[in-house]
Amino acid sequence: KQEVTQIPAALSVPEGENLVLNCSFTDSAIYNLQWFRQDPGKGLTSLLLIQSSQREQTSGRLNASLDKSSGRSTLYIAASQPGDSATYLCAAIPAYRNQFYFGTGTSLTVIP
Amino acid sequence: SAVISQKPSRDICQRGTSLTIQCQVDSQVTMMFWYRQQPGQSLTLIATANQGSEATYESGFVIDKFPISRPNLTFSTLTVSNMSPEDSSIYLCSVTGVTEAFFGQGTRLTVV
Repeated sequence: KQEVTQIPAALSVPEGENLVLNCSFTDSAIYNLQWFRQDPGKGLTSLLLIQSSQREQTSGRLNASLDKSSGRSTLYIAASQPGDSATYLCAAIPAYRNQFYFGTGTSLTVIP
Repeated sequence: SAVISQKPSRDICQRGTSLTIQCQVDSQVTMMFWYRQQPGQSLTLIATANQGSEATYESGFVIDKFPISRPNLTFSTLTVSNMSPEDSSIYLCSVTGVTEAFFGQGTRLTVV
């Protein structure tokens, strides 16, 4: 069974700082990897999707990379803003079934 | 993409009662997924709902506690039965497109 881990569990940074969130998965036979944002008490908003054939995706200040061989993905946030404060979840979908395995999440606080 | 409407968005329920959560998708989908997110935890898959067949439950979840209906390709319900305070969680429905997942806004359930 796929296990997904995110480090750190919580992160607090001053506004304007660049930061990296890490996601590790145990089964490299993944189909896609997706990063989500979750605001307190709310549902999930998709940020970036990396397909297995890709190595990275960019959207605005966000860049996500995928290294299947090492079982890792990173989410890079440039010039962080207080509005970026949320929990960030990565999810791996394995090649063998249509289910997402979610990471434990990183709770980000950007201090004005 | 898919737009998912989930209701109620939140509820406070007495122990021993049941709550039915509805999930409506703006397009036809084969599979719909129900997740639970306990306080401070990541998402855990409860079951996969296929139209025209019984839902498939993950280990630790049973039909008597979480009955699911899937009457057509755009709608599903999850019932949380005989609730206890341990059922207090966010419940989310999800669908997968060709390559990525989409989520409803979640139902925040508090059992008192």
